[in-house]
Amino acid sequence: AQSVAQPEDQVNVAEGNPLTVKCTYSVSGNPYLFWYVQYPNRGLQFLLKYITGDNLVKGSYGFEAEFNKSQTSFHLKKPSALVSDSALYFCAVKPGSARQLTFGSGTQLTVLP
Amino acid sequence: EAQVTQNPRYLITVTGKKLTVTCSQNMNHEYMSWYRQDPGLGLRQIYYSMNVEVTDKGDVPEGYKVSRKEKRNFPLILESPSPNQTSLYFCASSKGTDSNQPQHFGDGTRLSIL
Repeated sequence: AQSVAQPEDQVNVAEGNPLTVKCTYSVSGNPYLFWYVQYPNRGLQFLLKYITGDNLVKGSYGFEAEFNKSQTSFHLKKPSALVSDSALYFCAVKPGSARQLTFGSGTQLTVLP
Repeated sequence: EAQVTQNPRYLITVTGKKLTVTCSQNMNHEYMSWYRQDPGLGLRQIYYSMNVEVTDKGDVPEGYKVSRKEKRNFPLILESPSPNQTSLYFCASSKGTDSNQPQHFGDGTRLSIL
């Protein structure tokens, strides 16, 4: 069975500093990995995905994520955080053959002005 | 505008009173899904559908029903709601017949079962 862990419930970072939101996964076979963001009172919005190819994936709003197969990680990063990046972030994983996504428990990112 | 629309957005009801949450998408997507979101648990899939008349159980299907009679609609039915179904519910859709493509989410339905 697949699983995904987001070890930090809360991440605080100062505006202008780099940010990292961590995600590790467990899956049989090659993983498909996703990051979504949720703003208050809204549904999740897609940020980026890794299917195959380059380990560094670029997504929306200046976010990127690095796939690390040996560490089974897919951390979300941004070089310079904005206050408007404050939101709830979800990592999700599925094996290539599966029809279901498994979501992590979410990480609340707060960017302090 | 491409969107997934859920109704109602908020509902307070009582145990045992049947309710339906509607979901409609205007993107001609094949794949649709229902999730519930609970604090500390992230999103858990209730049911999904790969196309019209094709539905399958997710991780937490107990107490829920779905139907997919038309491509655009995927209602969630609670025939006898109970307090442990109090949650925030999301409908999502994507292209294709699996979940490889990015999913588009509705804005959620907050259900309170008293």
